[in-house]
Amino acid sequence: ELKVEQNPLFLSMQEGKNYTIYCNYSTTSDRLYWYRQDPGKSLESLFVLLSNGAVKQEGRLMASLDTKARLSTLHITAAVHDLSATYFCAVDMEYRDDKIIFGKGTRLHILP
Amino acid sequence: KAGVTQTPRYLIKTRGQQVTLSCSPISGHRSVSWYQQTPGQGLQFLFEYFSETQRNKGNFPGRFSGRQFSNSRSEMNVSTLELGDSALYLCASSSRTSGYNEQFFGPGTRLTVL
Repeated sequence: ELKVEQNPLFLSMQEGKNYTIYCNYSTTSDRLYWYRQDPGKSLESLFVLLSNGAVKQEGRLMASLDTKARLSTLHITAAVHDLSATYFCAVDMEYRDDKIIFGKGTRLHILP
Repeated sequence: KAGVTQTPRYLIKTRGQQVTLSCSPISGHRSVSWYQQTPGQGLQFLFEYFSETQRNKGNFPGRFSGRQFSNSRSEMNVSTLELGDSALYLCASSSRTSGYNEQFFGPGTRLTVL
């Protein structure tokens, strides 16, 4: 069965700290997306990763993709309160049925 | 460029009724996907339409159906509503011309079934 697993599912951290969210998936794919969702809002596209070794950075967030390990990471540097949100990874099943499969999401709460 | 729009934003229905949700994609996008989001199951894929044809389908019962019009606008219909259909229904559009499927989401329709 195809699985996209994020961990942790919930993370409470202090401002100024660094942390990493992990996204593991169980099938071959070279494409992975990260999204952010604020409470009561829709999803906003953050990063598009399209090959092994891809790394994208925007502000305090950096995403990477290791297709051999079937692992993507979203690293948060010196967290600030505004980054509090739920973060989803989504795997593109390009070699199977071309669907997008989302992880359960990581709810990030940054304490001021 | 205007974003993805969904109407209505909120709906309250009773069991057994049917409902139709509408989605207008970003101009030029020919792919529209629908997702159901619930606290327990997360984001689950319903179906994708591309150029008026259903391109993909998730594991939902036949009560969930959709269609796409020639202007790429899409509708989703749920018949014989059940309590468990209460959810946020999200529509996402994609151009699918760049070789990958980055999706842009609408604000969602919050459906409550009583």
